[in-house]
Amino acid sequence: GQNIDQPTEMTATEGAIVQINCTYQTSGFNGLFWYQQHAGEAPTFLSYNVLDGLEEKGRFSSFLSRSKGYSYLLLKELQMKDSASYLCAVSDSNYQLIWGAGTKLIIKP
Amino acid sequence: NAGVTQTPKFQVLKTGQSMTLQCAQDMNHEYMSWYRQDPGMGLRLIHYSVGAGITDQGEVPNGYNVSRSTTEDFPLRLLSAAPSQTSVYFCASKGQPDSGNTIYFGEGSWLTVV
Repeated sequence: GQNIDQPTEMTATEGAIVQINCTYQTSGFNGLFWYQQHAGEAPTFLSYNVLDGLEEKGRFSSFLSRSKGYSYLLLKELQMKDSASYLCAVSDSNYQLIWGAGTKLIIKP
Repeated sequence: NAGVTQTPKFQVLKTGQSMTLQCAQDMNHEYMSWYRQDPGMGLRLIHYSVGAGITDQGEVPNGYNVSRSTTEDFPLRLLSAAPSQTSVYFCASKGQPDSGNTIYFGEGSWLTVV
């Protein structure tokens, strides 16, 4: 079956760095997405990786290793507004998105 | 910039009632879909459409119907609501069905079935 695993919850301190991991097993691979979802709101797009390596976008970076079925989202200089759930999703061989359950990130002052 | 618009935002239904969640997008996207999101679980695909007149089932289609008479609209119908359908529902769209393009979400509909 298809499976996306990510930690349920993480806690970090304002100003610090946090890495959220995602491992996947899917039938085919057409890219991996990270989305941010604040409580009571819709998910919003953060990043997309289809080739191995690191993609940097401001304070956020996303890494992909297709051979290991592994990705991480790196958040630097954490701010209180980064408190949210972070969703990992893989586009499978049919371009359907398979979603992880999300990682709730709690930022403490 | 309307994007993806879904209504209603909140709804309480009695068991056995029917209702329709409306979804419209103004980005001329071919692909539209409906997800439900439950605590501790990932977004689960209910139904999707790759263009007007074409619909298909996702992972959890039972108890739901959809239609796609126009490119813009993709309503989701609950035929006979059950407490197990209490959830948050998201409509989403993207430009090309067979692509890695990012998907855009509506604001969500919180549905409670009592």
